[in-house]
Amino acid sequence: NAGVTQTPKFQVLKTGQSMTLQCAQDMNHEYMSWYRQDPGMGLRLIHYSVGAGITDQGEVPNGYNVSRSTTEDFPLRLLSAAPSQTSVYFCASSYGGGGSEQYFGPGTRLTVT
Amino acid sequence: DAKTTQPNSMESNEEEPVHLPCNHSTISGTDYIHWYRQLPSQGPEYVIHGLTSNVNNRMASLAIAEDRKSSTLILHRATLRDAAVYYCILRSGGTSYGKLTFGQGTILTVHP
Repeated sequence: NAGVTQTPKFQVLKTGQSMTLQCAQDMNHEYMSWYRQDPGMGLRLIHYSVGAGITDQGEVPNGYNVSRSTTEDFPLRLLSAAPSQTSVYFCASSYGGGGSEQYFGPGTRLTVT
Repeated sequence: DAKTTQPNSMESNEEEPVHLPCNHSTISGTDYIHWYRQLPSQGPEYVIHGLTSNVNNRMASLAIAEDRKSSTLILHRATLRDAAVYYCILRSGGTSYGKLTFGQGTILTVHP
């Protein structure tokens, strides 16, 4: 299994540009989520999904959209990039909720100038 | 969401045991206690989790207080590769998604 994969690894955007961060998992996990981590901080939840076609907002959803058309993929869209969105983005998946371990991807380091 | 409290940092010597404490006095009956660690420039890595009973796996042991208001992650013999930020997190069970709320974590330094 490749586990959780994320592309790209690094990205630089100009303010106002849009882009999609890709996330895929090959473990047939129902639960997937996106987190951001700012320098020296813990992770904060952006959006999550409990299955194909079902998404919900996390702690910091503004400026981001998600969709879940398949079990495997959970892309994160930045609608109009802002410098405040400069961060490292992690995708995660798990088989279920509270009693399940989450598997994290390697992260995408995004810089918005 | 129930919160956890951890020391900002701890130090250990290589090959010695390490006990990382976590307080979670507002834990609810359906909250699982999870531990993750994050090495520099990497994504978080699952370490262990439990509900009521102590748990052991190949990486560590988790000791949960009888009242569940605190827990301790035990690394039996620390190595240099165990130097990381360790996060103690409560994850809701039941039918909810069970989001992970990350705090600041404990920075573990391991001395050779």
